[in-house]
Amino acid sequence: DIQMTQSPSALSASVGDRVTITCRASQSISNYLHWYQQKPGNAPKLLIYAASNLQRGVPSRFSGSGSGTDFTLNINSLQPEDFATYYCQQSYTTQYTFGQGTKLEIK
Amino acid sequence: EVQLVESGGGLVQPGGSLRLSCAASGFTVSSNYMSWVRQAPGKGLEWVSIIYTAGSTYYADSVKGRFTISTDNSDNTLYLQMNTLRADDTAVYYCARHGTIFGDPLDLWGQGTLVTVSS
Repeated sequence: DIQMTQSPSALSASVGDRVTITCRASQSISNYLHWYQQKPGNAPKLLIYAASNLQRGVPSRFSGSGSGTDFTLNINSLQPEDFATYYCQQSYTTQYTFGQGTKLEIK
Repeated sequence: EVQLVESGGGLVQPGGSLRLSCAASGFTVSSNYMSWVRQAPGKGLEWVSIIYTAGSTYYADSVKGRFTISTDNSDNTLYLQMNTLRADDTAVYYCARHGTIFGDPLDLWGQGTLVTVSS
């Protein structure tokens, strides 16, 4: 099975900051990589699909990049509503594994 | 309105069975790939199972042989039959919709239903 490793596991930042979250796959997954945001008590929400495509309705301060094994999620100018947990997920194989999550907290 | 609504969660004893339902509205479940994803208390997301439009099914190793995913076109519902339940199956279970192409992400999620396995 493909393992997905996110870093960091937790991150403290301030409103207005720019943050980067990375996701590494244990083998090449082309661009079959998606990013989700989850707030406490809520279902996850799709942010970025196919590594770099912004889901409809998601603010443009979110962006994604990468291919193969290394991927990044960038958030420019953090807003109060962005403090949440972020997950990457691969869909290259039929075992759709998630990363362990990155909790973004207010500094 | 396009939405997914899960039901069927609850408290069950170890070794017991439970069937989760996920009612879809605004689209046809059999026309999309559909998955179940779970989240143990305080933990991350774990993909559980997928059913493709052609009927093929796949499972995480942790549930293979115990869980069965299916759809019913008559009521536009996704199901997850869970047998031989264990304490580590305790989680919120989400149903979610993929697109119609292999590799599509999960673009629509239900609100989740809590399954607790305990004596």
